[in-house]
Amino acid sequence: AQSVTQPDIHITVSEGASLELRCNYSYGATPYLFWYVQSPGQGLQLLLKYFSGDTLVQGIKGFEAEFKRSQSSFNLRKPSVHWSDAAEYFCAVGTYSGNTPLVFGKGTRLSVIA
Amino acid sequence: DGGITQSPKYLFRKEGQNVTLSCEQNLNHDAMYWYRQDPGQGLRLIYYSQIVNDFQKGDIAEGYSVSREKKESFPLTVTSAQKNPTAFYLCASSISPRQVDTEAFFGQGTRLTVV
Repeated sequence: AQSVTQPDIHITVSEGASLELRCNYSYGATPYLFWYVQSPGQGLQLLLKYFSGDTLVQGIKGFEAEFKRSQSSFNLRKPSVHWSDAAEYFCAVGTYSGNTPLVFGKGTRLSVIA
Repeated sequence: DGGITQSPKYLFRKEGQNVTLSCEQNLNHDAMYWYRQDPGQGLRLIYYSQIVNDFQKGDIAEGYSVSREKKESFPLTVTSAQKNPTAFYLCASSISPRQVDTEAFFGQGTRLTVV
C-alpha cells in the first residue's frame, strides 16, 4: 500500500524568504503526486499535481514541486513567501490503477512572520 | 458554479445521538469520499464510493455509515457507536476512480462538536 511522509509538522519562515516543504512517498510503481493547501476551517485546494513527463511541475500561487524518483520525494517550493501563504499543506499520493482513494500525509503547518 | 457543498458548516450534537452530514456535488463525478481530520492526524479515510449504490470502508469506518442512492449525494451518518466523533469532516469527489489522472475536489467541511 502507498504511504506519504511529511517530516516537518510546523515550519516558520519570514515573509519574502524561500520555502521548501518536504514530502516522501512509498509506492512500488510510478505514483501520482499532489500538493493541497488548506486555510483554517476550510476545505483543501489543489496546488499542483504530477502524473508523468517533466519532473518539475508548476502550480497555482507561484508554487512548484519537483519529483525525484531516486529519493522518492516530491518537495514543494516557492521562491518568495507571502503572508497569505500561511496555511496547512498536504502531500498526497495516488495509484496508477486509480481504483483506490488518495493517501494523504499528516500535513505541514506553515507560519509566516514579518 | 460546479462544486461540492457540505452542510451544515458547524454542527453540535449531544452525546449518544446520531447525526447526518450532508455532501452534494454537481460536478457529475462518479467517486465520492469522506475524510476525518483531527489536529496532527492529517486526513483519514472513512468511506468512499466509486459508483451509485456501492461503497467501501476506509481506514476508520467504525461508528460511521453512508449511503449512495444518487450520484450527486453521499451523506455520512455519525452514529452513537463512534467513540470520539468531535472532528472536522471533509467530503471530496473525483471524476472516476478508474481515470488515472484524477484529483480529488473538496468541500468546505463540517465541524462536528459532540457535547
